[in-house]
Amino acid sequence: EPEVTQTPSHQVTQMGQEVILRCVPISNHLYFYWYRQILGQKVEFLVSFYNNEISEKSEIFDDQFSVERPDGSNFTLKIRSTKLEDSAMYFCASSETDPTNPLSGGDTDTQYFGPGTRLTVL
Amino acid sequence: AQSVTQPDIHITVSEGASLELRCNYSYGATPYLFWYVQSPGQGLQLLLKYFSGDTLVQGIKGFEAEFKRSQSSFNLRKPSVHWSDAAEYFCAVAPSGNTPLVFGKGTRLSVIA
Repeated sequence: EPEVTQTPSHQVTQMGQEVILRCVPISNHLYFYWYRQILGQKVEFLVSFYNNEISEKSEIFDDQFSVERPDGSNFTLKIRSTKLEDSAMYFCASSETDPTNPLSGGDTDTQYFGPGTRLTVL
Repeated sequence: AQSVTQPDIHITVSEGASLELRCNYSYGATPYLFWYVQSPGQGLQLLLKYFSGDTLVQGIKGFEAEFKRSQSSFNLRKPSVHWSDAAEYFCAVAPSGNTPLVFGKGTRLSVIA
């Protein structure tokens, strides 16, 4: 069964350093997402991405964050200058959703999550 | 703004006992509704989902959930819990497709012998 993969599983970095978290969405999926979960808290939406541009972003997703689909398979989240409070589990998700297809919806909108990357900022 | 409430932070059940995890949402229309499970150190696995139609939906691992519009609820149930069900369970809603999921705070399930 196809699945979303993420690398690395755990990243430790020093405050102020740049990190890039990588995701490989399910191959026929068109919509991509990043979420994060600070330890002990709820999962929060960061950003969604479709057709090579940001579709929606939350207040958390400030100028320190960026996303990119550098090739046909990878989807990356970059944090330019990490802060202590960026320590969290970061989840990538993807869905088949195709907004241009009037028949899209329901099952194709289901978001499938990767195993996450635990980011520790020291 | 949408919100999801999972009133139980931690539930402990005996193996073989029935389980019900509560989820209430706040949203004007009927949103898309999901339950995800997170085992320790793992990602989020989809258990089941509701978009429309039959209000009782079946999922994986013997779980089911019932959508009740009048109560704005989408409670998760399982008739007989197994020790391997011990995990964190998250209810999530979205207004429609390709919109961000809003998660509840989660309910941690412990299973005792």
